[in-house]
Amino acid sequence: DAEITQSPRHKITETGRQVTLACHQTWNHNNMFWYRQDLGHGLRLIHYSYGVQDTNKGEVSDGYSVSRSNTEDLPLTLESAASSQTSVYFCASGQGVTTGELFFGEGSRLTVL
Amino acid sequence: DAKTTQPPSMDCAEGRAANLPCNHSTISGNEYVYWYRQIHSQGPQYIIHGLKNNETNEMASLIITEDRKSSTLILPHATLRDTAVYYCIVRPIDSNYQLIWGAGTKLIIKP
Repeated sequence: DAEITQSPRHKITETGRQVTLACHQTWNHNNMFWYRQDLGHGLRLIHYSYGVQDTNKGEVSDGYSVSRSNTEDLPLTLESAASSQTSVYFCASGQGVTTGELFFGEGSRLTVL
Repeated sequence: DAKTTQPPSMDCAEGRAANLPCNHSTISGNEYVYWYRQIHSQGPQYIIHGLKNNETNEMASLIITEDRKSSTLILPHATLRDTAVYYCIVRPIDSNYQLIWGAGTKLIIKP
């Protein structure tokens, strides 16, 4: 079955380190998204991509970057991790403009000490 | 900012219908209403969406008022596994997934 997977599921890092969270989907969806979720809050969009070589900033993109070299993967990089980036990160993918149905990964819990 | 208002929490007895309200009084004519849910620590799961008409699928029913200013998600026979946070989201037809998430409603199904 098609799926979307995130890795690592849990990571602890130190302030200033570079961190990359992986997201891989096998649905062949053009659209991929990264969200963060902090305790007691809804999801906030970090970056998104509508296809290979396309990337766009979301509402909380500062300190994050993404690249899209193929359809299946959208890695999220924290160039210099900060304690404010401690959060749970969700990757999602979807296809088509009108359906709006997103498929989410299981999340990556990142702790920055 | 989220364009929807939902109660922060609700309880429902197992086996009964769970009715989750959502207010979206500023919705425009080209915006869909979407419902997702998030079971503890998992990624959100799509439930249903609609524009004007009521919708039903294998998971739930969506009732949208005639003026489209509010809607209700109905889980017809709630089970303990339906305990989750339910998010009501409005999204423009041409937004290509720019979902804006609020805090949602924490639904607790009680045995």
